[in-house]
Amino acid sequence: QVQLVESGGGVVQPGRSLRLSCAASGFTFSRYGMHWVRQAPGKGLEWVSLISYDGSNKNYADSVKGRFTISRDKSKNTLYLQMNSLRAEDTAVYYCAKEGTADPYHFDYWGQGTLVTVSS
Amino acid sequence: QSVLTQPPSVSGAPGQRVTISCTGSSSNIGAGYNIHWYQQLPGTAPKLLIYGNNNRPSGVPDRFSGSKSGTSASLAITGLQAEDEADYYCQSYDSSLSGSRVFGGGTKLTVL
Repeated sequence: QVQLVESGGGVVQPGRSLRLSCAASGFTFSRYGMHWVRQAPGKGLEWVSLISYDGSNKNYADSVKGRFTISRDKSKNTLYLQMNSLRAEDTAVYYCAKEGTADPYHFDYWGQGTLVTVSS
Repeated sequence: QSVLTQPPSVSGAPGQRVTISCTGSSSNIGAGYNIHWYQQLPGTAPKLLIYGNNNRPSGVPDRFSGSKSGTSASLAITGLQAEDEADYYCQSYDSSLSGSRVFGGGTKLTVL
């Protein structure tokens, strides 16, 4: 079965960096686009970034553009999110999600999430 | 505020039918992009509930259904059960935002 397992979250000071990882299994990782979606405490879902199946296309929400970088390693079946210049408003649970099989514009599987807290 | 608009909360008694609306614009739902729905139980990750406006993934009960018309969409839940108490989010694609998948603000369903 499809499994997505995030890691790398923690407490970090404003202005510092953090790298999140998402280990994928149960499907052919190299065939699907992957996304990061975040949820601030008590708030709704916010799409953050996507990377195409082959890594050639990347997109970001305006709120993270220029600070976050998405990447993937097909040899390790792992998705990454490099987060630089972190701000208090980046505090959230970060989920990785797989694009849908029938329709690439939705997310058919989600990880359990990893919490990032930006605080001094 | 969110690109897609949902009511903050809805409620219903066990066995009743409730609907959750999702209103967009000409750059997302109105442009013909599909609507998808997610259920988030307390303390858990979101789970796909409806995709492509009205399709249910395997394992989702047929008590859940979706519809779309114009710039709006709806999620209907019939035969309401206590375990349906959760947050529900609609999601689509918006052509005015680069690469962007967009979400509604979420609706908290309370089973009375």
